[in-house]
Amino acid sequence: GAGVSQSPSNKVTEKGKDVELRCDPISGHTALYWYRQSLGQGLEFLIYFQGNSAPDKSGLPSDRFSAERTGGSVSTLTIQRTQQEDSAVYLCASSITWGVTNYGYTFGSGTRLTVV
Amino acid sequence: GESVGLHLPTLSVQEGDNSIINCAYSNSASDYFIWYKQESGKGPQFIIDIRSNMDKRQGQRVTVLLNKTVKHLSLQIAATQPGDSAVYFCAENMAAGNKLTFGGGTRVLVKP
Repeated sequence: GAGVSQSPSNKVTEKGKDVELRCDPISGHTALYWYRQSLGQGLEFLIYFQGNSAPDKSGLPSDRFSAERTGGSVSTLTIQRTQQEDSAVYLCASSITWGVTNYGYTFGSGTRLTVV
Repeated sequence: GESVGLHLPTLSVQEGDNSIINCAYSNSASDYFIWYKQESGKGPQFIIDIRSNMDKRQGQRVTVLLNKTVKHLSLQIAATQPGDSAVYFCAENMAAGNKLTFGGGTRVLVKP
């Protein structure tokens, strides 16, 4: 597609439920990144994919968080047994290749997750 | 300044004046830097970048300055406009690294 697409744009869930967040990167972009942005904060790195593999998942905050990418395209970020501290905007970005090249990443508009 | 909880450092500027946003980066091995602009409800958007072999780079109404000695980056916006109101983030990438590390952000409010 023309840009990075994320769905849903907003998600309200009850504490303890599982959620899945979806990211559709720019066509042809091999690298995909997930970041988390808590209210009024900067961007916290979660995980990065090169193709379907995740060489760097160092930012995942706990084993409740997991992510996968299939077909070198769409990625899903899954949060199990959600907690209130998981409330944040989850941002996905893609770039044409791994590593950081000119112009950095193209970001989606994010999924705002609220755990009640 | 540093962001603390909900309180991003805020720069209030009169429309038409110049804005200067500062960022202290953390890693002396970083060799590529980007400024992003984030408007409410949107993802960050690329503004301008600079590599460590440069100390200044200019774009349209924006200039980025890099001081590697003190690990400091700044973004200058000339003739600030209402559409410049947003949160601005600096980001750094370590040489041969695979991801950008973001600073805490500065909110710019443009007063008419």
